[in-house]
Amino acid sequence: ETGVTQTPRHLVMGMTNKKSLKCEQHLGHNAMYWYKQSAKKPLELMFVYSLEERVENNSVPSRFSPECPNSSHLFLHLHTLQPEDSALYLCASSPTQGTFYGYTFGSGTRLTVV
Amino acid sequence: AQTVTQSQPEMSVQEAETVTLSCTYDTSESDYYLFWYKQPPSRQMILVIRQEAYKQQNATENRFSVNFQKAAKSFSLKISDSQLGDAAMYFCAYRSTDSNYQLIWGAGTKLIIKP
Repeated sequence: ETGVTQTPRHLVMGMTNKKSLKCEQHLGHNAMYWYKQSAKKPLELMFVYSLEERVENNSVPSRFSPECPNSSHLFLHLHTLQPEDSALYLCASSPTQGTFYGYTFGSGTRLTVV
Repeated sequence: AQTVTQSQPEMSVQEAETVTLSCTYDTSESDYYLFWYKQPPSRQMILVIRQEAYKQQNATENRFSVNFQKAAKSFSLKISDSQLGDAAMYFCAYRSTDSNYQLIWGAGTKLIIKP
């Protein structure tokens, strides 16, 4: 049990589809993150939420829309994606913003855009 | 801006032997945190070990230890008595004490364990 659960594990979607990725944690953490992991590239931070408020958005295209309804749940809504958006999307959480204790990650959603 | 470089895309080691993974970083800050994460085929990123820059002593977690050379901006990971379960991607990461959110990541090193 990782503590951070992501669903679905795999997702194939067409460029005109709308889908959502879900992340859930019951660790009592109050900061949550979305990362994009592409082959042979460093992890890219997409969004950060702290106490359900978005505090960081690293110039992510508007076709990615995050939502954090409460401190335990984080969503990433996807629409009109491009093939280059195919990647592993990782969710993470941490006890507070920027602690020494690192992040707890989920197992990711492998997204393929066709 | 800070950067993290892992110069070894892939490393292999015989089971039970020792392997060292390299990581260098660039920063003008004097205080920061450094991390090594492991990502096995299950895809979950797992924290292996962490180091506070103001601490001289190298961090150790069981078979995992680091060689932290602050002046050289080097943070290598040593894995002793390698086991098959150590096979994974290993990522080095940097975080400024001023940054609440950003971990700066290296591109990763794939570690292969030969039985």
